[in-house]
Amino acid sequence: EAGVAQSPRYKIIEKRQSVAFWCNPISGHATLYWYQQILGQGPKLLIQFQNNGVVDDSQLPKDRFSAERLKGVDSTLKIQPAKLEDSAVYLCASRTVLGRDSPLHFGNGTRLTVT
Amino acid sequence: KNQVEQSPQSLIILEGKNCTLQCNYTVSPFSNLRWYKQDTGRGPVSLTIMTFSENTKSNGRYTATLDADTKQSSLHITASQLSDSASYICVVSARGYNKLIFGAGTRLAVHP
Repeated sequence: EAGVAQSPRYKIIEKRQSVAFWCNPISGHATLYWYQQILGQGPKLLIQFQNNGVVDDSQLPKDRFSAERLKGVDSTLKIQPAKLEDSAVYLCASRTVLGRDSPLHFGNGTRLTVT
Repeated sequence: KNQVEQSPQSLIILEGKNCTLQCNYTVSPFSNLRWYKQDTGRGPVSLTIMTFSENTKSNGRYTATLDADTKQSSLHITASQLSDSASYICVVSARGYNKLIFGAGTRLAVHP
Protein backbone atom coordinates (compact mmCIF):
# COMPACT_ATOMS: atom_id res chain seq x y z
CA GLU A 1 0.00 0.00 0.00
CA ALA A 2 1.12 3.55 -0.62
CA GLY A 3 2.32 5.38 2.47
CA VAL A 4 1.37 8.75 3.88
CA ALA A 5 2.41 11.48 1.46
CA GLN A 6 3.46 14.94 2.62
CA SER A 7 4.60 18.02 0.76
CA PRO A 8 6.69 20.02 0.59
CA ARG A 9 9.67 18.26 2.19
CA TYR A 10 11.37 21.49 3.11
CA LYS A 11 10.24 25.09 3.48
CA ILE A 12 12.13 28.20 4.48
CA ILE A 13 10.18 31.37 5.22
CA GLU A 14 10.67 34.62 7.07
CA LYS A 15 8.83 35.35 10.28
CA ARG A 16 5.37 36.80 9.86
CA GLN A 17 4.95 35.03 6.50
CA SER A 18 2.39 32.29 5.97
CA VAL A 19 2.96 28.66 5.00
CA ALA A 20 0.82 25.62 4.22
CA PHE A 21 1.54 21.92 4.41
CA TRP A 22 -0.33 19.14 2.64
CA CYS A 23 -0.96 15.54 3.67
CA ASN A 24 -2.51 12.61 1.83
CA PRO A 25 -3.12 9.70 4.25
CA ILE A 26 -3.23 6.01 3.48
CA SER A 27 -6.38 5.13 1.59
CA GLY A 28 -9.18 4.11 3.91
CA HIS A 29 -7.61 5.53 7.06
CA ALA A 30 -10.27 7.55 8.81
CA THR A 31 -8.04 9.03 11.51
CA LEU A 32 -5.48 11.70 10.63
CA TYR A 33 -3.04 13.48 12.91
CA TRP A 34 -0.74 16.48 12.60
CA TYR A 35 2.28 16.53 14.89
CA GLN A 36 4.98 19.13 15.51
CA GLN A 37 8.42 17.72 16.25
CA ILE A 38 11.08 20.11 17.48
CA LEU A 39 14.65 18.90 17.13
CA GLY A 40 15.57 16.45 19.87
CA GLN A 41 12.00 16.06 21.12
CA GLY A 42 9.17 13.63 20.59
CA PRO A 43 6.22 14.56 18.36
CA LYS A 44 3.61 16.86 19.92
CA LEU A 45 0.00 16.50 18.77
CA LEU A 46 -1.45 19.58 17.09
CA ILE A 47 -4.74 18.23 15.82
CA GLN A 48 -6.56 14.93 15.29
CA PHE A 49 -9.30 14.34 12.73
CA GLN A 50 -11.80 11.50 12.51
CA ASN A 51 -12.99 11.58 8.90
CA ASN A 52 -13.54 15.33 8.40
CA GLY A 53 -14.40 16.11 12.02
CA VAL A 54 -11.98 17.42 14.65
CA VAL A 55 -11.45 15.06 17.60
CA ASP A 56 -8.73 16.95 19.49
CA ASP A 57 -7.23 20.37 18.79
CA SER A 58 -6.51 21.34 22.38
CA GLN A 59 -2.80 21.96 21.69
CA LEU A 60 -3.23 23.79 18.40
CA PRO A 61 -2.24 27.49 18.68
CA LYS A 62 -5.45 28.65 17.10
CA ASP A 63 -4.40 32.27 16.82
CA ARG A 64 -1.93 31.30 14.12
CA PHE A 65 -2.45 27.65 13.17
CA SER A 66 -5.40 26.22 11.26
CA ALA A 67 -6.10 22.84 9.71
CA GLU A 68 -8.79 21.31 7.61
CA ARG A 69 -9.64 17.94 6.17
CA LEU A 70 -12.16 18.42 3.45
CA LYS A 71 -14.05 15.33 2.31
CA GLY A 72 -12.31 13.27 5.01
CA VAL A 73 -9.24 12.51 2.91
CA ASP A 74 -6.46 15.06 2.27
CA SER A 75 -5.56 17.58 4.91
CA THR A 76 -3.78 20.93 5.01
CA LEU A 77 -2.11 22.65 7.95
CA LYS A 78 -1.53 26.39 7.76
CA ILE A 79 0.53 28.78 9.84
CA GLN A 80 -0.16 32.51 9.58
CA PRO A 81 1.83 34.44 10.66
CA ALA A 82 4.85 32.26 11.39
CA LYS A 83 7.14 32.81 14.37
CA LEU A 84 10.74 31.76 14.88
CA GLU A 85 9.64 29.10 17.39
CA ASP A 86 7.56 27.39 14.70
CA SER A 87 10.75 26.01 13.19
CA ALA A 88 10.23 22.25 13.41
CA VAL A 89 9.29 19.16 11.45
CA TYR A 90 5.58 18.80 10.85
CA LEU A 91 4.53 15.18 10.68
CA CYS A 92 1.27 13.84 9.35
CA ALA A 93 0.08 10.39 10.43
CA SER A 94 -2.95 8.25 9.72
CA ARG A 95 -4.52 5.24 11.33
CA THR A 96 -7.42 2.96 10.58
CA VAL A 97 -10.30 3.52 12.93
CA LEU A 98 -11.10 -0.18 13.05
CA GLY A 99 -8.40 -0.99 15.60
CA ARG A 100 -7.37 1.31 18.42
CA ASP A 101 -4.24 -0.82 18.79
CA SER A 102 -3.30 -0.25 15.18
CA PRO A 103 -0.07 1.70 14.63
CA LEU A 104 0.25 5.23 13.37
CA HIS A 105 1.61 5.45 9.84
CA PHE A 106 3.72 8.58 9.49
CA GLY A 107 4.75 10.57 6.48
CA ASN A 108 8.34 11.79 6.20
CA GLY A 109 7.36 15.24 7.35
CA THR A 110 7.91 18.82 6.25
CA ARG A 111 10.91 20.57 7.75
CA LEU A 112 10.04 24.23 8.33
CA THR A 113 12.70 26.83 8.99
CA VAL A 114 11.53 30.31 10.02
CA THR A 115 14.19 33.02 9.76
CA LYS B 1 -0.44 13.68 34.85
CA ASN B 2 0.17 11.23 32.00
CA GLN B 3 3.89 11.17 31.19
CA VAL B 4 6.40 9.03 29.34
CA GLU B 5 10.08 9.34 30.16
CA GLN B 6 12.85 7.71 28.19
CA SER B 7 16.46 7.07 29.06
CA PRO B 8 19.16 7.55 28.13
CA GLN B 9 18.62 10.67 26.05
CA SER B 10 21.39 9.55 23.71
CA LEU B 11 23.66 6.56 23.36
CA ILE B 12 26.73 5.66 21.32
CA ILE B 13 27.74 2.03 20.85
CA LEU B 14 30.06 0.09 18.60
CA GLU B 15 28.71 -2.05 15.82
CA GLY B 16 27.97 -5.58 16.99
CA LYS B 17 27.34 -4.59 20.60
CA ASN B 18 24.03 -4.89 22.45
CA CYS B 19 22.12 -2.06 24.10
CA THR B 20 18.96 -1.48 26.12
CA LEU B 21 16.70 1.55 26.00
CA GLN B 22 14.32 2.37 28.84
CA CYS B 23 10.81 3.77 28.95
CA ASN B 24 8.97 4.67 32.19
CA TYR B 25 5.37 5.81 32.11
CA THR B 26 2.71 7.11 34.45
CA VAL B 27 -0.20 6.73 32.02
CA SER B 28 -3.41 5.46 33.55
CA PRO B 29 -5.49 3.57 32.66
CA PHE B 30 -2.92 1.79 30.53
CA SER B 31 -3.92 0.31 27.18
CA ASN B 32 -0.72 -0.46 25.29
CA LEU B 33 2.84 0.66 24.68
CA ARG B 34 4.44 0.89 21.28
CA TRP B 35 8.06 1.41 20.25
CA TYR B 36 8.78 3.38 17.10
CA LYS B 37 12.04 3.78 15.19
CA GLN B 38 12.68 7.13 13.52
CA ASP B 39 15.51 7.34 11.00
CA THR B 40 16.97 10.78 10.35
CA GLY B 41 14.74 12.76 8.02
CA ARG B 42 11.96 10.16 8.08
CA GLY B 43 8.75 9.61 10.00
CA PRO B 44 8.58 7.11 12.88
CA VAL B 45 7.88 3.47 12.02
CA SER B 46 6.32 1.01 14.47
CA LEU B 47 8.63 -1.74 15.76
CA THR B 48 6.39 -3.52 18.22
CA ILE B 49 3.39 -3.15 20.50
CA MET B 50 3.11 -4.38 24.09
CA THR B 51 -0.27 -4.93 25.71
CA PHE B 52 -1.02 -5.37 29.40
CA SER B 53 -0.75 -9.15 29.34
CA GLU B 54 2.52 -9.33 27.43
CA ASN B 55 5.92 -9.45 29.12
CA THR B 56 8.28 -9.99 26.21
CA LYS B 57 8.02 -9.73 22.44
CA SER B 58 10.73 -10.05 19.80
CA ASN B 59 10.96 -8.61 16.31
CA GLY B 60 14.20 -9.82 14.77
CA ARG B 61 17.08 -8.31 16.74
CA TYR B 62 14.69 -6.13 18.74
CA THR B 63 13.19 -7.44 21.98
CA ALA B 64 10.71 -5.39 23.98
CA THR B 65 9.73 -6.07 27.57
CA LEU B 66 6.92 -4.69 29.68
CA ASP B 67 6.49 -4.67 33.44
CA ALA B 68 2.98 -3.35 34.02
CA ASP B 69 3.44 -3.37 37.79
CA THR B 70 6.42 -1.01 37.76
CA LYS B 71 5.21 0.75 34.58
CA GLN B 72 8.47 0.19 32.77
CA SER B 73 9.36 -1.03 29.32
CA SER B 74 12.67 -1.71 27.67
CA LEU B 75 13.84 -2.20 24.12
CA HIS B 76 16.88 -4.44 23.74
CA ILE B 77 18.85 -4.39 20.51
CA THR B 78 21.10 -7.37 19.88
CA ALA B 79 24.19 -7.38 17.66
CA SER B 80 23.70 -3.76 16.61
CA GLN B 81 24.16 -2.69 13.00
CA LEU B 82 24.94 0.69 11.51
CA SER B 83 21.35 0.84 10.26
CA ASP B 84 20.12 0.79 13.86
CA SER B 85 21.31 4.40 14.19
CA ALA B 86 18.07 6.27 14.76
CA SER B 87 15.81 7.72 17.42
CA TYR B 88 13.62 5.27 19.32
CA ILE B 89 10.35 6.66 20.61
CA CYS B 90 8.12 5.08 23.25
CA VAL B 91 4.39 5.83 22.89
CA VAL B 92 1.80 4.86 25.49
CA SER B 93 -1.92 4.67 24.79
CA ALA B 94 -4.42 5.53 27.52
CA ARG B 95 -7.39 3.18 27.52
CA GLY B 96 -10.69 4.86 26.84
CA TYR B 97 -9.23 8.31 26.24
CA ASN B 98 -8.07 7.96 22.66
CA LYS B 99 -4.82 9.66 23.64
CA LEU B 100 -1.26 8.79 22.72
CA ILE B 101 1.50 10.01 25.03
CA PHE B 102 4.92 10.30 23.37
CA GLY B 103 8.31 10.07 25.01
CA ALA B 104 11.10 12.39 23.90
CA GLY B 105 13.01 9.48 22.38
CA THR B 106 16.48 8.00 22.72
CA ARG B 107 18.96 8.90 19.99
CA LEU B 108 21.14 5.86 19.22
CA ALA B 109 24.35 6.11 17.20
CA VAL B 110 26.08 2.90 16.13
CA HIS B 111 29.69 3.43 15.13
CA PRO B 112 31.82 1.05 13.08
